[in-house]
Order: sequence, then C-alpha cells, then structure tokens
Amino acid sequence: ETGVTQSPTHLIKTRGQQVTLRCSSQSGHNTVSWYQQALGQGPQFIFQYYREEENGRGNFPPRFSGLQFPNYSSELNVNALELDDSALYLCASSSGTRGWGTYNEQFFGPGTRLTVL
Amino acid sequence: AQTVTQSQPEMSVQEAETVTLSCTYDTSESDYYLFWYKQPPSRQMILVIRQEAYKQQNATENRFSVNFQKAAKSFSLKISDSQLGDAAMYFCAYRSANSGYALNFGKGTSLLVTP
Repeated sequence: ETGVTQSPTHLIKTRGQQVTLRCSSQSGHNTVSWYQQALGQGPQFIFQYYREEENGRGNFPPRFSGLQFPNYSSELNVNALELDDSALYLCASSSGTRGWGTYNEQFFGPGTRLTVL
Repeated sequence: AQTVTQSQPEMSVQEAETVTLSCTYDTSESDYYLFWYKQPPSRQMILVIRQEAYKQQNATENRFSVNFQKAAKSFSLKISDSQLGDAAMYFCAYRSANSGYALNFGKGTSLLVTP
C-alpha cells in the first residue's frame, strides 16, 4: 500500500509568481485536505476535496485554489505569491463520505517546503 | 471557531522517564474528536492517539496515554518510558464531529529526549 506522496519536496519562487503543488492520495482514499504550516506554527486548514468537489474551506483568500482528479490525486494552486506564503504545505488523504459525522483518519504526506523571495 | 492552546513551547525528558504535554481547547460543541500528532524532522505528521469526546475512558496506545477532562477542556498527553525516537514536535488537534472536517491544530510542543 502506497502512502501519501507530495511533489516537489522543495520549491523556491518569487513574489507575484504562481505555483502548483501536487499530492497523490493513499490507495483507496477519496478525500484530500490541504494545510499550510508556517514556521513555528501548527498546520492551518486550507480546503478539502471529496470526489473532485471542494468540500470545505478555511480562511484563505481565493488565490488559493485546488483541484482533485478522478484518481483522487490533488493539486494546490497559489496565484500572486506573497512573502507570507512561505511555508510547509501538507496534504492529507482519508476515505470518507460527504458530511462530517463519521471519523476517518487523515494520513499526511511529507509536505512541500515553499519559499517565496 | 475552536481554538487549541499548547502552553509549553518546549519540553525535555530523560530517556526511560515520563513526560506530560499539555493542551487546552475552547469549544461550545459537545461532540468532537481530539488528537495528538507527532511531527519528526522528516516533517510527516503521524497520528499518535485519538479521543472521542463522548467516551469517558481515556485513550491509551502502548506508551502513550491521555488525560481527557471534558469539563475543563483539557487534553494532556503522557509519554511513558520515553525513547530517543520520541523526540519531535507534538501537536494537539481538534475536530468537530458535527459541523466540520478540518483539523484545528495548536502551535505545538517541541519534545527533546536526552540519553
């Protein structure tokens, strides 16, 4: 069973550029959540995708957008990069149903370290 | 919004000793989940232990156990017989059972294990 993988491992961009981060979910999982972890902080929820549809969003501006593909892998896109976007971006996959009553463990990937200069 | 507070930025424990990491949270909900995650230098977040709020019994996973005090909104993690491999950042997290899907994390506690 393959775990959650993310690419790239590290990335350096400049202010104003756009970036795409990728996540492959664990086999059998249909839900992907993205988190931003600034240095010295806990992860903050960006959004979640369930079966190719956005299923919830945290307090992040619209320039943070995402996609989920039929194989349940996912992309996080960030436009007009700002210095404060420098962070570790984590994705987590889980198997779930729409709605939030059922607990399903989220399995995290190793993250992508984004540096914005 | 629910907030999670970890008041200990750093903790240190000797190998084979016991250490307790503190966590408090603020919520008006009655049904929720609480978690402790471990993040080693490899950065991969690993679930250590989970507690359902409706369960009065404290969760235990081998050397890891929690002290869940629902009325006090407190959720501490006890690590017994500490090992060098326990050194990592530990995050307390909250998830609503009825109105959310996101994990709300605290700022973390850095645990150092000395030989």
